[in-house]
Amino acid sequence: QSALTQPASVSGSPGQSVTISCTGSNSDVGRYNYVSWYQHHPGKAPKLIIYDVNYRPSGVSDRFSGSKSGITASLTVSGLQAEDEANYYCSSYTSSASLVFGGGTKLTVL
Amino acid sequence: QVQLAESGGGVVQPGRSLRLACAASGFTFSKFDMHWVRQAPGKGLEWVAVVSSGGDTRFYADSVKGRFTISRDNSKSTLFLQMNSLTVEDTAVYYCAKRYGSGWNLDYWGQGTLVTVSS
Repeated sequence: QSALTQPASVSGSPGQSVTISCTGSNSDVGRYNYVSWYQHHPGKAPKLIIYDVNYRPSGVSDRFSGSKSGITASLTVSGLQAEDEANYYCSSYTSSASLVFGGGTKLTVL
Repeated sequence: QVQLAESGGGVVQPGRSLRLACAASGFTFSKFDMHWVRQAPGKGLEWVAVVSSGGDTRFYADSVKGRFTISRDNSKSTLFLQMNSLTVEDTAVYYCAKRYGSGWNLDYWGQGTLVTVSS
């Protein structure tokens, strides 16, 4: 199972919005609405911020939103804040009964 | 509150074995599927394995199939990962994580335990 494709890095200024893409295939992202997004600060446990494409767990800021079109899912972070600087990973359930992650995107707040 | 605490990591030679454990608390462990996910140094997250809430169904990543075994002891709220025939490519921080909802979403993760495979 090949990793989902994410940009290596994105950046934005405080208050701006950024979008991170996650491209898979018709065996994962395109087939199931089971795309999740995780925020990972180095040295800490990853945090689930979006599940089932566009749902936020309780306690997650509504500045985070998710969407999907075809084989590409997206995470949008609006109103960028300094604490949003982290690595972001998408994941998807696959037709092989496995979970595949994206390669990760480093978000830099300028 | 939900807590997951991994243990058992360390330095091991190629070809040897290691057993990781993940102690869970703060939720009804026996009701949730559990996963192992790893992160090699400087790399991204890689899914390793999942075990169903009752322990009867297991799935593995191709990279570990036949070498790793995931299991659980619901009476002790503990998840395990038996790792055999280790290679340098298995060097990583290993996280246990709890499933959330209908998809394979992981809402709680441990802090991870480092496994280093080196001669």
